[in-house]
Amino acid sequence: AQKITQTQPGMFVQEKEAVTLDCTYDTSDQSYGLFWYKQPSSGEMIFLIYQGSYDEQNATEGRYSLNFQKARKSANLVISASQLGDSAMYFCAMREGLASGGSYIPTFGRGTSLIVHP
Amino acid sequence: GAVVSQHPSWVICKSGTSVKIECRSLDFQATTMFWYRQFPKQSLMLMATSNEGSKATYEQGVEKDKFLINHASLTLSTLTVTSAHPEDSSFYICSATDRTHYNEQFFGPGTRLTVL
Repeated sequence: AQKITQTQPGMFVQEKEAVTLDCTYDTSDQSYGLFWYKQPSSGEMIFLIYQGSYDEQNATEGRYSLNFQKARKSANLVISASQLGDSAMYFCAMREGLASGGSYIPTFGRGTSLIVHP
Repeated sequence: GAVVSQHPSWVICKSGTSVKIECRSLDFQATTMFWYRQFPKQSLMLMATSNEGSKATYEQGVEKDKFLINHASLTLSTLTVTSAHPEDSSFYICSATDRTHYNEQFFGPGTRLTVL
């Protein structure tokens, strides 16, 4: 079974509107972390936002917010006021286990391609 | 934020040759480095996890003799694609973590390999 599921292969949004990219996850760990990355056509992976499983508040970073619903095991990314430069692939990822000085291996979803229309 | 570089950013080689890709952490000591492979419009596929001074741990299905990984220091890991074939053409990305940034991987810009 997939640990990270992104059900939207592609999304379109009008410039200046908000868009939600879906991500659900599967883990039996109590301690885990959820990430969102942006990958533009240049290929670099850009870290956007992080949510820890024990964080009670939804993470926010500028125009990015993470709608964390623990009971539903979902971690949707909300981009407010979309810009043309937001057009890219977006990957949801999960780290399981405690980050206690050892290494961890994140699992990536298949990604969602976002296109922002002018 | 922490910076990871990769060299080269792109490479074209003939079938049968070997190609080395370097991954460096520029301003931090990377206790662990990861190597990923990404095909067009697909997700990142973890190839191996590399800890400084020890042998890399390869994911199932990844040929150890084909993809040689060396993590000789806390700032450098190398991936060597040996006897490259056209099917090895892909985008290779490394990432690194350190002891103080447990929650984040720092990604290199990637290397696009084309084998003719």
